[in-house]
Amino acid sequence: QSALTQPASVSGSPGQSITISCTGTSSDVGNYNLVSWYQQHPGKAPKLMIYEGSKRPSGVSNRFSGSKSGNTASLTISGLQPEDEADYYCCSFAGSSTWVFGGGTKLTVL
Amino acid sequence: QVQLVESGGGVVQPGRSLRLSCAASGFTFRSYGMHWVRQAPGKGLEWVAVISKDASDEQTADSVKGRFTVSRDNSKNTVYLQMNSLRADDTAVYYCARDLSGEYAFDIWGQGTLVTVSS
Repeated sequence: QSALTQPASVSGSPGQSITISCTGTSSDVGNYNLVSWYQQHPGKAPKLMIYEGSKRPSGVSNRFSGSKSGNTASLTISGLQPEDEADYYCCSFAGSSTWVFGGGTKLTVL
Repeated sequence: QVQLVESGGGVVQPGRSLRLSCAASGFTFRSYGMHWVRQAPGKGLEWVAVISKDASDEQTADSVKGRFTVSRDNSKNTVYLQMNSLRADDTAVYYCARDLSGEYAFDIWGQGTLVTVSS
């Protein structure tokens, strides 16, 4: 159950697009199309943004999109807005009723 | 509205026990699996435990296996996390989260309860 690998930080200017990567192994990300992404603002609970790799829950902006290639999943945020500044975590089902999170990425909107 | 409220956190000495509770409201609790996820101060999220909707299946992370147990009482709309033999590295905010049925994600989160393990 090793944590998935995410960049510690990414940044972008308002209106730009950014992508956050999430690298796992053939036992988790690569074996299941079950990656989810969470947004967490300081002092707040996480919020589900993407599930099953690319699906958006009701109410989540279509500026957020997800994809996967091999053992790496990605979250793309287009048209960056100041309120997007937050920590983002990926999570993958890892089999045998277990899940594993990434280390988190701090997004700064310049 | 759909809500999860955790309670039971506090300061506890190493080696002691603590039980967390998570009360659900606004949805049919017995129809959903439930998870516990924790976050050490200044650190990332760590999945801790899951229990199926009817409590027939449960699982814990390797880091807490043999020390933590998850359970639920559907008559009280509550899920529990029994934490034994607590260690300093168990210090964290503990969140309960609802399983997005069949989708392997966590769609509703509580506000969290802080557990501090210190002598």
